[in-house]
Amino acid sequence: GEEVAQTPKHLVRGEGQKAKLYCAPIKGHSYVFWYQQVLKNEFKFLISFQNENVFDETGMPKERFSAKCLPNSPCSLEIQATKLEDSAVYFCASSQAAANTEAFFGQGTRLTVV
Amino acid sequence: SQQGEEDPQALSIQEGENATMNCSYKTSINNLQWYRQNSGRGLVHLILIRSNEREKHSGRLRVTLDTSKKSSSLLITASRAADTASYFCATVSGTYKYIFGTGTRLKVLA
Repeated sequence: GEEVAQTPKHLVRGEGQKAKLYCAPIKGHSYVFWYQQVLKNEFKFLISFQNENVFDETGMPKERFSAKCLPNSPCSLEIQATKLEDSAVYFCASSQAAANTEAFFGQGTRLTVV
Repeated sequence: SQQGEEDPQALSIQEGENATMNCSYKTSINNLQWYRQNSGRGLVHLILIRSNEREKHSGRLRVTLDTSKKSSSLLITASRAADTASYFCATVSGTYKYIFGTGTRLKVLA
């Protein structure tokens, strides 16, 4: 598709429950990025993929967060045992190449942990 | 940690005026990009300036880059109410990770 599609738009989870977010990058884009935005403020980098391989995962809280980008499937970001502070909007972006190209962002998934 | 710092944090101007926002960053970069975000929705790409460029224009947007000062500015001329949004700079370095600034909230009053 011509846009980055994120599902669901909204997700509510009780503390301790699992949350799974999905992202379909633009067809032909090799790079996928996940960001977390809390309270409409700064975007925190979580992880990036080059095709199905993890490219940079320096932003991932590894104890509870995991992500995958498998061939012919949407990419996913999973949070085990959610905490209140995980409440945020999670954005996915894709780009055609790594350098000197723009990243296209999805509309985000708003996760609310209650 | 967040690379970019933007100022001002918030800016309120009248329609027709120009808006200038600034971004400073800490390390060497491949390029710097500006994005707009409306009401917590997804980011929309505005303009990309490479590290060997000093100035770039796109419509009513003008971006400058000073790598010696590690800073960039975004100028929106003849602003419109529809320009009301948050504006973020993002730097891209060797690891191809987009590092975002803290954002400037622009309000254009009709």
